[in-house]
Amino acid sequence: GENVEQHPSTLSVQEGDSAVIKCTYSDSASNYFPWYKQELGKGPQLIIDIRSNVGEKKDQRIAVTLNKTAKHFSLHITETQPEDSAVYFCAAHNSGGYQKVTFGTGTKLQVIP
Amino acid sequence: KAGVTQTPRYLIKTRGQQVTLSCSPISGHRSVSWYQQTPGQGLQFLFEYFSETQRNKGNFPGRFSGRQFSNSRSEMNVSTLELGDSALYLCASSLEGLAASTDTQYFGPGTRLTVL
Repeated sequence: GENVEQHPSTLSVQEGDSAVIKCTYSDSASNYFPWYKQELGKGPQLIIDIRSNVGEKKDQRIAVTLNKTAKHFSLHITETQPEDSAVYFCAAHNSGGYQKVTFGTGTKLQVIP
Repeated sequence: KAGVTQTPRYLIKTRGQQVTLSCSPISGHRSVSWYQQTPGQGLQFLFEYFSETQRNKGNFPGRFSGRQFSNSRSEMNVSTLELGDSALYLCASSLEGLAASTDTQYFGPGTRLTVL
């Protein structure tokens, strides 16, 4: 089945700096890669996603890049703010796979004011 | 538009009991997926229901089951509870579900289950 590795597990950055979180996946049939932000006591919230036919997508301070050949995708947050502090999860979807969606293990991001 | 709602938000049970959790999807969404989130195993897919039929299933024992009603509301049941079932149980709804692969999922706040 699909395996998704996410790094780092924790990340501390100064306010205003950039943060980068990386994920690698194993199943080349995966074709949809969302990123979620989970705050304490809440469910994951979609912040950005990318389809396999696209290499990069940007939404204000957040961007995602996908390298299908290397099977990895990354989340980039620029000009970080304290409210960006949360746990971030990547996921890989495979419509033909058994489990359909596999999540990374999460990255706890702390933005220091 | 109202988001995904889950009830109850918190639940305490003892080993051997059974529990039923409820999820109401976003209006118009036909797919409901269930996930278990624990510190050790992370987010794991349990199963997906679409138009009252279980369409996909993760790698969990038969003690975990679910159903979906004609209004797309879904329930998840865990029988013979074990200590290891303590977790945050999340449901997510989407228009066409995981088979559509690129369909966006919207998560509820979860039900925190503690098994003593």
